[in-house]
Amino acid sequence: GQNIDQPTEMTATEGAIVQINCTYQTSGFNGLFWYQQHAGEAPTFLSYNVLDGLEEKGRFSSFLSRSKGYSYLLLKELQMKDSASYLCAVRGKGYSTLTFGKGTMLLVSP
Amino acid sequence: GAGVSQSPSNKVTEKGKDVELRCDPISGHTALYWYRQSLGQGLEFLIYFQGNSAPDKSGLPSDRFSAERTGGSVSTLTIQRTQQEDSAVYLCASSFSRDDYEQYFGPGTRLTVT
Repeated sequence: GQNIDQPTEMTATEGAIVQINCTYQTSGFNGLFWYQQHAGEAPTFLSYNVLDGLEEKGRFSSFLSRSKGYSYLLLKELQMKDSASYLCAVRGKGYSTLTFGKGTMLLVSP
Repeated sequence: GAGVSQSPSNKVTEKGKDVELRCDPISGHTALYWYRQSLGQGLEFLIYFQGNSAPDKSGLPSDRFSAERTGGSVSTLTIQRTQQEDSAVYLCASSFSRDDYEQYFGPGTRLTVT
C-alpha cells in the first residue's frame, strides 16, 4: 500500500517563502506530483519529480529525495492568490494511478 | 482547447436512488481517471481507463459503484442505491497516455445524498 503525509494547515505572510513537506511510503515509485487546488475548484498540476533533486519553475520549486521518501514544495514571493490547498501525490508501480495525500491548506495573509 | 468537462455540476439525491455522473475527457486523451474527494479527505482513486484495455477497478469502494467508457471517450460513473456516505465531490481527470505525468482535472460533480 501507499501512505502519504503532509501538514494539514500552514500560514504565511505575503512576500515570504514557505516550504510544504510531504513524506511517503510506497510499494514502487514512479514519480511524485504536486497539485494546487483552490476552494471549490479542480486540482491543477504544479510539478513532477522522478529523480532526486530540485526542480524549479518560476516562484515554485519542488524537491525529491527517494531514499528518504521525502519531498517538499517551495513557494517564493508569496501572493494572496497562493492561498489554496497543495496536494502531494505519488505514482506507484504500474504507472496507472496517483495516490494523494490529504492536502496542506495554505493561508497567505497580508 | 476545451478541458475536461463533467455533468452535472451538482446533484442532490435521496438515499437509495441511483445516480449517473458524466465525464467528457480532453479529445485525444486515452487515459481517464475517476476520483472521489470527501470533506477533509484527500482525493481517493476509484477507477482508471486506458484505451481499450480492461479498466483498473481496484479503487471502487463497493459493488454499488460501476463505470464505463464508451468509444474510448465519454465515461459514466454510476452509483446504485446511494448512501449518505457517498456524498462527496467526484472528480474526473484525463491524460494523453498512462505515462503522461500530467493529469487534467474536470471541475467535479458535487453529490449530496439526503
